[in-house]
Amino acid sequence: DAGVIQSPRHEVTEMGQEVTLRCKPISGHNSLFWYRQTMMRGLELLIYFNNNVPIDDSGMPEDRFSAKMPNASFSTLKIQPSEPRDSAVYFCASSLTGQPQHFGDGTRLSIL
Amino acid sequence: GEDVEQSLFLSVREGDSSVINCTYTDSSSTYLYWYKQEPGAGLQLLTYIFSNMDMKQDQRLTVLLNKKDKHLSLRIADTQTGDSAIYFCAESYENNNDMRFGAGTRLTVKP
Repeated sequence: DAGVIQSPRHEVTEMGQEVTLRCKPISGHNSLFWYRQTMMRGLELLIYFNNNVPIDDSGMPEDRFSAKMPNASFSTLKIQPSEPRDSAVYFCASSLTGQPQHFGDGTRLSIL
Repeated sequence: GEDVEQSLFLSVREGDSSVINCTYTDSSSTYLYWYKQEPGAGLQLLTYIFSNMDMKQDQRLTVLLNKKDKHLSLRIADTQTGDSAIYFCAESYENNNDMRFGAGTRLTVKP
């Protein structure tokens, strides 16, 4: 079975540019999560969706970050404009309610 | 402070047992998890335990839960070099939407 699929795997861009990260959750899962992982702060939950509806976005750092889930099989996390401090590994995870979360392999983002 | 605490590093010799410890603070937690992260990869679910259980065994992995002390451990028997990774402890409530992760323990297995 296909797991959570994220793209791109790596992204290097200059500050000020728009960055879009993509995620395809496991088919049939109804919850989707975006996390950010850094050495300094560890794993942080940014936002999660349930049945395509954003439930908790309190972890989104600031207005430069936005996330959408237009349908059950696709979500995006956008950063505009990007800054060097946004450099991190961004993970998407999905789950069925009441079941453990399954993670994608992440997008390693470097903002120069 | 952290809701979930783990020691940052553990080094063992190949063939020995590894024990990774974790403490958590929320007695309302329903599920306790262990995830493994290898370099360049995401978090892989290893095992999880319900809070009404004391122990769970799965091949080389044994999870022990002391709910009174809010202490969780992961024992890896016959540790192999392929077990070298970062291991994350996590807790959640019943709906699993609010998971709280520890900082991770980096396990190094020496030949």
